[in-house]
Amino acid sequence: GESVGLHLPTLSVQEGDNSIINCAYSNSASDYFIWYKQESGKGPQFIIDIRSNMDKRQGQRVTVLLNKTVKHLSLQIAATQPGDSAVYFCAENNAGNMLTFGGGTRLMVKP
Amino acid sequence: GAVVSQHPSWVICKSGTSVKIECRSLDFQATTMFWYRQFPKQSLMLMATSNEGSKATYEQGVEKDKFLINHASLTLSTLTVTSAHPEDSSFYICSASSRWQPQHFGDGTRLSIL
Repeated sequence: GESVGLHLPTLSVQEGDNSIINCAYSNSASDYFIWYKQESGKGPQFIIDIRSNMDKRQGQRVTVLLNKTVKHLSLQIAATQPGDSAVYFCAENNAGNMLTFGGGTRLMVKP
Repeated sequence: GAVVSQHPSWVICKSGTSVKIECRSLDFQATTMFWYRQFPKQSLMLMATSNEGSKATYEQGVEKDKFLINHASLTLSTLTVTSAHPEDSSFYICSASSRWQPQHFGDGTRLSIL
């Protein structure tokens, strides 16, 4: 079936470095994607979204890139901080706001 | 904006007890609310989808008589775990969405059944 998946289960970065979290999706008809951050013991937090008519969108310290040709999403975090340590999920937003989640990538920030 | 509040954040109770979890959208009208269950180190598993004023739609394998969902208003949905047993212990998360808002999540409820 259609799915959204992740290349790396765990990413360890040095504080201050940039982080890149990747996500592949298989449904070429998908037109809306969301990145969520989930800290331990909490629910997922909306970070940034992007629609298929864009290939890049920037937020505060975060950038999402969308490559429709290869069906790939990435989340870039600039100047990674300890507070960025969490599990990051990409999600495909389908009809009725139903989400198809990726498996999650754990980001660990080393001081 | 798009704040979703979930209560309680954790609950411990004896086997056989029924437990109610509330999910509120605080600053938008949520036409659709979702309930998830999450096991350690896994992604979220959708349990059911509820539209305001309608019966919930349950995912395959989720017992509707076990997990009662009510969505009586545009800002409140409840999940009641009836006659809870230790195997129902888990992290339950709700989310809310509307035509103009994708899913925004509550902070989850840690349920422990003794």
